[in-house]
Amino acid sequence: DSGVTQTPKHLITATGQRVTLRCSPRSGDLSVYWYQQSLDQGLQFLIQYYNGEERAKGNILERFSAQQFPDLHSELNLSSLELGDSALYFCASSTSAGPNYGYTFGSGTRLTVV
Amino acid sequence: GQSLEQPSEVTAVEGAIVQINCTYQTSGFYGLSWYQQHDGGAPTFLSYNALDGLEETGRFSSFLSRSDSYGYLLLQELQMKDSASYFCAVNRGSTLGRLYFGRGTQLTVWP
Repeated sequence: DSGVTQTPKHLITATGQRVTLRCSPRSGDLSVYWYQQSLDQGLQFLIQYYNGEERAKGNILERFSAQQFPDLHSELNLSSLELGDSALYFCASSTSAGPNYGYTFGSGTRLTVV
Repeated sequence: GQSLEQPSEVTAVEGAIVQINCTYQTSGFYGLSWYQQHDGGAPTFLSYNALDGLEETGRFSSFLSRSDSYGYLLLQELQMKDSASYFCAVNRGSTLGRLYFGRGTQLTVWP
């Protein structure tokens, strides 16, 4: 157990639907990052939150949104789902001490859009 | 933007040494990280280089040359369990910066 908890582990839904992925960071970590991993795109950075505030945006579609709550857990909302959104979605957290300690990734949510 | 290039596949036998190279182009650079990912699993942190030179952690070492925008991961005394994907990632945004990953190198270790 890495200390980063993601739920659900698997999600199957239809096109056009909306889903919410949840992430609880490792205790003490203030930064949360969301990544999408698909076969043809590798690990794509979506968005970063630090202590409740959005810090950086990457290749996140307008149909996707995220937030970090006061208890530091984060949610990634995916709407108007398309077949191409099928992927592994990872959440990672990091200590404020710096990247030399690395990100800690959760086990991911495998989203299948049918 | 940024781009990272690493070989898509590498194969080696148990006990051998393998080097996985990574070249990058990025606006803003704070360091280079390496992650390991087994099939279907979460990426796990291996090493981080912010300064030029070699960092050694057990059987794994990582090297960075900032002037050449180049780094590599060196895996020694390969074991079957080292079969996995290895990703290099650039840190573009200071100490809390987000990482941008390469497409990964699939390492297969044969007995």
